[in-house]
Amino acid sequence: DAKTTQPTSMDCAEGRAANLPCNHSTISGNEYVYWYRQIHSQGPQYIIHGLKNNETNEMASLIITEDRKSSTLILPHATLRDTAVYYCIVRVGAASKLTFGTGTRLQVTL
Amino acid sequence: NAGVTQTPKFQVLKTGQSMTLQCAQDMNHNSMYWYRQDPGMGLRLIYYSASEGTTDKGEVPNGYNVSRLNKREFSLRLESAAPSQTSVYFCASSNIGTGGSTDYGYTFGSGTRLTVV
Repeated sequence: DAKTTQPTSMDCAEGRAANLPCNHSTISGNEYVYWYRQIHSQGPQYIIHGLKNNETNEMASLIITEDRKSSTLILPHATLRDTAVYYCIVRVGAASKLTFGTGTRLQVTL
Repeated sequence: NAGVTQTPKFQVLKTGQSMTLQCAQDMNHNSMYWYRQDPGMGLRLIYYSASEGTTDKGEVPNGYNVSRLNKREFSLRLESAAPSQTSVYFCASSNIGTGGSTDYGYTFGSGTRLTVV
């Protein structure tokens, strides 16, 4: 699976959009981009995933560049409860295991 | 509530003791996984079971054994605990298919915090 590069930490004011970047320049054509987050010491939580097209669900939006070498997770109105470590993972969709890096620690402040 | 249940939540072992971490899922998922997470680090895969009756090693399998008891249950055993196995252990399950719109990724349990002294 392709490796990813994320900033170590980011800050965001409550109510503002949080934009978390991820670089995956070696991604293959059949690899998906997944985002998870881990709040405090809880188990990681699935957020969203995509292949080529931008995706949106009730939690977030995922913007993937046309060349697929990078993506951005957008939390449209960040709250204090969104403070967490966010993991960007690329993997082949079927039967491939998730490999976690160290992620981005997002701190949402008042 | 549907999800992944891990027991126990906390455990302290002495070096050399053995124990089994239990994991059960009620989502009818085919695949199950065991990860460990050390302080300040990401999760590392220990073992996984792609389907009932199969198990395979992950990134850090040494010192562990697993059993896929049935479709619901996947246990992790430490035969002779060592201080280096002090960690938080997470179990996960999934029905990963093609990665399309019905692929919701992994569901994780809340973790077992293990200390080996």
